Amino acid sequence: QKEVEQNSGPLSVPEGAIASLNCTYSDRGSQSFFWYRQYSGKSPELIMSIYSNGDKEDGRFTAQLNKASQYVSLLIRDSQPSDSATYLCAVGKANAGGTSYGKLTFGQGTILTVHP
Amino acid sequence: GAGVSQSPSNKVTEKGKDVELRCDPISGHTALYWYRQSLGQGLEFLIYFQGNSAPDKSGLPSDRFSAERTGGSVSTLTIQRTQQEDSAVYLCASSLREGGRAFFGQGTRLTVV
Repeated sequence: QKEVEQNSGPLSVPEGAIASLNCTYSDRGSQSFFWYRQYSGKSPELIMSIYSNGDKEDGRFTAQLNKASQYVSLLIRDSQPSDSATYLCAVGKANAGGTSYGKLTFGQGTILTVHP
Repeated sequence: GAGVSQSPSNKVTEKGKDVELRCDPISGHTALYWYRQSLGQGLEFLIYFQGNSAPDKSGLPSDRFSAERTGGSVSTLTIQRTQQEDSAVYLCASSLREGGRAFFGQGTRLTVV
């Protein structure tokens, strides 16, 4: 089982629709969760971070975290063609002392295409 | 600096040569990470630094790879005796604290011919 898994996609949605991206993780000790967007040929760009159960909204983006189910998702409302990119889920663990641990483990990414 | 800076942007080297990749993190960021990304693949963790120490270097693929960080700032990733399978984009990121929000540089595209 991979440490961080994302639905492989590609995911295609029409402009204006809601895009839903999902990620599961295997380590129950994970403490921090991030979504990155990566355009082709570019480096990953941080778009959302979430640390507590529930929803976190930032503009058109909503991150959802459910630690009991080991599941984190990203919703993109009113999707635009400019949202077309690969979305990477990243998970940070805690060390034995319970404090944050530096290594972020990334999923393989989901390719999102928003068509006009 | 305003963002994470990596140099060079592109590097073409002959098989068997040594290469050094440089990362200059965001000022004040204590944690620094190295990843690599092969074409069409996800991000593969290599090593991270907290200050000048490397708590986790488990991702370094072989003893040909090494990294150091000095003054809690600039980091250098060195690949000795490069092989064709080392060809990838090497990405550096930094965060204010360990495990925090990490911001990436533009990457160094390494091609071994």
